[in-house]
Amino acid sequence: NAGVTQTPKFQVLKTGQSMTLQCAQDMNHNSMYWYRQDPGMGLRLIYYSASEGTTDKGEVPNGYNVSRLNKREFSLRLESAAPSQTSVYFCASRNHVGQPTDTQYFGPGTRLTVL
Amino acid sequence: DQQVKQNSPSLSVQEGRISILNCDYTNSMFDYFLWYKKYPAEGPTFLISISSIKDKNEDGRFTVFLNKSAKHLSLHIVPSQPGDSAVYFCAASAFRGGTASKLTFGTGTRLQVTL
Repeated sequence: NAGVTQTPKFQVLKTGQSMTLQCAQDMNHNSMYWYRQDPGMGLRLIYYSASEGTTDKGEVPNGYNVSRLNKREFSLRLESAAPSQTSVYFCASRNHVGQPTDTQYFGPGTRLTVL
Repeated sequence: DQQVKQNSPSLSVQEGRISILNCDYTNSMFDYFLWYKKYPAEGPTFLISISSIKDKNEDGRFTVFLNKSAKHLSLHIVPSQPGDSAVYFCAASAFRGGTASKLTFGTGTRLQVTL
């Protein structure tokens, strides 16, 4: 049981390049989330998926797209990377929709640098 | 607009003493609060939570207190241990029933427990 896994762990891009961050969970959770963490900013929600087949914008969605490929996988795509997207990206998952007491479980993060 | 605030970026406490981490929120719709702990190069891990119907929740050395009238919560760690040295994030959610809960995070407090 690996929990939440993310690939890659590190990535360096040039401005304008595209890439996809991968996330998978093996806990059979319904909801999945993408966050970014920046110094002095805490974690900010980019996109989330309440269940397979649905996605919604979070606090900072501009410049990103997501795909909930199946129940296990939730990917984050940067179509044209910008230096402002340099950050650490975390994926998280959560079991029940509609149950406030269920916590989110986080992956180890992807550290992305855009030059 | 920072809805969840952790005004102390860092805190240093001697081993064996009490650590008190504070968190304030502005959104009166928040009804569930969590503390996450984060070590360097790892994802956040859930520590303890509290519902707005309670004013205290205890789990071993960790206790969270909630003062709804002041919109303030605190995490007490007694006794503090060197392994507690990490960044602690306060998070809050407004349960909407039937939808995936979204967490709003504070900016974090770096706790250092010294020998």
